Amino acid sequence: DAKTTQPPSMDCAEGRAANLPCNHSTISGNEYVYWYRQIHSQGPQYIIHGLKNNETNEMASLIITEDRKSSTLILPHATLRDTAVYYCIVRGNYGGSQGNLIFGKGTKLSVKP
Amino acid sequence: EAGVAQSPRYKIIEKRQSVAFWCNPISGHATLYWYQQILGQGPKLLIQFQNNGVVDDSQLPKDRFSAERLKGVDSTLKIQPAKLEDSAVYLCASSFRTGTGEQYFGPGTRLTVT
Repeated sequence: DAKTTQPPSMDCAEGRAANLPCNHSTISGNEYVYWYRQIHSQGPQYIIHGLKNNETNEMASLIITEDRKSSTLILPHATLRDTAVYYCIVRGNYGGSQGNLIFGKGTKLSVKP
Repeated sequence: EAGVAQSPRYKIIEKRQSVAFWCNPISGHATLYWYQQILGQGPKLLIQFQNNGVVDDSQLPKDRFSAERLKGVDSTLKIQPAKLEDSAVYLCASSFRTGTGEQYFGPGTRLTVT
């Protein structure tokens, strides 16, 4: 089973920031938080990951709380093309099967004009 | 850089028939994954290869599903015989090495079993 809890759906106005929450209260010290998204009829796409510090790349920012029990993915200026299902995944940095990605149902983000 | 290629994109078969899906990973990626995604759910890992060896096939229904990656590059996933509940999108992904969470996914094959 997935180790994360996400809201099933969210709406965001185009051009505004989209803040997607994720709870992972049972995360252990060596587990990372990964975010993927899946646009309709496409395969999932890696967005960003982090351990304890906040991370930013060209796609998004990841804010992890100090106790690491929750995180927020931020899309700073959402566009219609950001409409997708967003998956938050907790994963150990192991090789072999221990490091496999376990997807939940994610959050369906709808960006509206 | 070319992405993960999969074919066919769509397939419709009758139950009890057999079907095969093909995947060509990103060049140089040693690890290859097959996932099954049922409508409304997240992808579920079926099998993971490291080069031409199986790392994890614990979720693969081995009575009807098989997969191979003989030369450590492209891979084939087969279902024989298919059941109605096998209707899903079959996704292939690859990564440079095992132990990384950055996986690159193909577009998937949508299978409909009637």
